[in-house]
Amino acid sequence: AQTVTQSQPEMSVQEAETVTLSCTYDTSESDYYLFWYKQPPSRQMILVIRQEAYKQQNATENRFSVNFQKAAKSFSLKISDSQLGDAAMYFCAYASRGSTLGRLYFGRGTQLTVWP
Amino acid sequence: EAGVTQFPSHSVIEKGQTVTLRCDPISGHDNLYWYRRVMGKEIKFLLHFVKESKQDESGMPNNRFLAERTGGTYSTLKVQPAELEDSGVYFCASSHSFGAGVNTEAFFGQGTRLTVV
Repeated sequence: AQTVTQSQPEMSVQEAETVTLSCTYDTSESDYYLFWYKQPPSRQMILVIRQEAYKQQNATENRFSVNFQKAAKSFSLKISDSQLGDAAMYFCAYASRGSTLGRLYFGRGTQLTVWP
Repeated sequence: EAGVTQFPSHSVIEKGQTVTLRCDPISGHDNLYWYRRVMGKEIKFLLHFVKESKQDESGMPNNRFLAERTGGTYSTLKVQPAELEDSGVYFCASSHSFGAGVNTEAFFGQGTRLTVV
């Protein structure tokens, strides 16, 4: 079975600085998807970024980028130029290649605080 | 376009009572999922509907949980009778399958916080 581990329950960052959230996973599959979801307080969880395992290039979305290390089964999220609106719970998630992308395996989440 | 909507946002019930949670997916999304997060733990999959059919219900904890999706639109998740360990946040998500293995990512609702006292 697939497992996702987020070892940092809480992280904090100063506004405009950079922060990296860690995620490792375990799978025997060779092709899959990895995601970072963000849940602001009392709001919907939204997709931040996604990575397809067969792509060697790391995904980027504006200030958000990932460091995908397939051999190490590591998938960290880097947030550059942090903003107050980035404060949220961040979840790392895994989906099998053959799935509908909604059948996800989640980590426990990392609560990110952004200080002004 | 409206997102995934869940009702109620909060529910506090006594042990032994019944609670029904509702999820309205994004219009046109065939896939609907229920997840649960117990405090401090990971979000866990409960089940997956494709239209009105249960595709995968391997995550349902026990027979006190009943999920339905009549007509392939909205879904309900009933807990009867509720136990203390059922407390947590219940998330619903939906996604669309275009066929040939092409799917959108999952879009989530804001969750229903259930507290059983």
